[in-house]
Amino acid sequence: EPEVTQTPSHQVTQMGQEVILRCVPISNHLYFYWYRQILGQKVEFLVSFYNNEISEKSEIFDDQFSVERPDGSNFTLKIRSTKLEDSAMYFCASSDLRVAGTYEQYFGPGTRLTVT
Amino acid sequence: AQKVTQAQTEISVVEKEDVTLDCVYETRDTTYYLFWYKQPPSGELVFLIRRNSFDEQNEISGRYSWNFQKSTSSFNFTITASQVVDSAVYFCALISGGGADGLTFGKGTHLIIQP
Repeated sequence: EPEVTQTPSHQVTQMGQEVILRCVPISNHLYFYWYRQILGQKVEFLVSFYNNEISEKSEIFDDQFSVERPDGSNFTLKIRSTKLEDSAMYFCASSDLRVAGTYEQYFGPGTRLTVT
Repeated sequence: AQKVTQAQTEISVVEKEDVTLDCVYETRDTTYYLFWYKQPPSGELVFLIRRNSFDEQNEISGRYSWNFQKSTSSFNFTITASQVVDSAVYFCALISGGGADGLTFGKGTHLIIQP
């Protein structure tokens, strides 16, 4: 069964450094998403991406964040200058809305980002 | 604005007991979808069920059942004869509008099943 993959599973970085989190969505899916979960808290929507541009973004997704689909398979989240409060689990998800009426998003296993 | 409330922060029961996790939602949209996800200690999000706003039929899947009531804006989840492997954090989530929208999650309920 196809699945969303994410690399790395755990990333440790120093405050102020740039970090890129990578995701490979399910191949025939059209919508891609990033979510964040700070330890012990709820999962929060960051951004959605469709047709090579951002569709929606939350107030969390400020100028420090950017997303890109550099090729036909990868979907990346870049944090320009990491802060301690960026430490969280980051989940990628994808969706095939051509399957009418499902709205189901398939989640990857997550990347745990630790900023020291 | 959308909102999902899971008022139960943590529930602890003894194995084989039945347990119900509550979820109350708010949305102005008439078309929306509700989800339950399980997050075991390993951290991944496991999809359990999806329900659309036009389908109020209750659903049963093995030991799991879901009760969707639009009149009270609730989508509760019951585990019958709980097992230790059911121990996890359970999230209720809502999506409405177009497909670009993100899921709105509740804060989750930490379920502890004691042997």
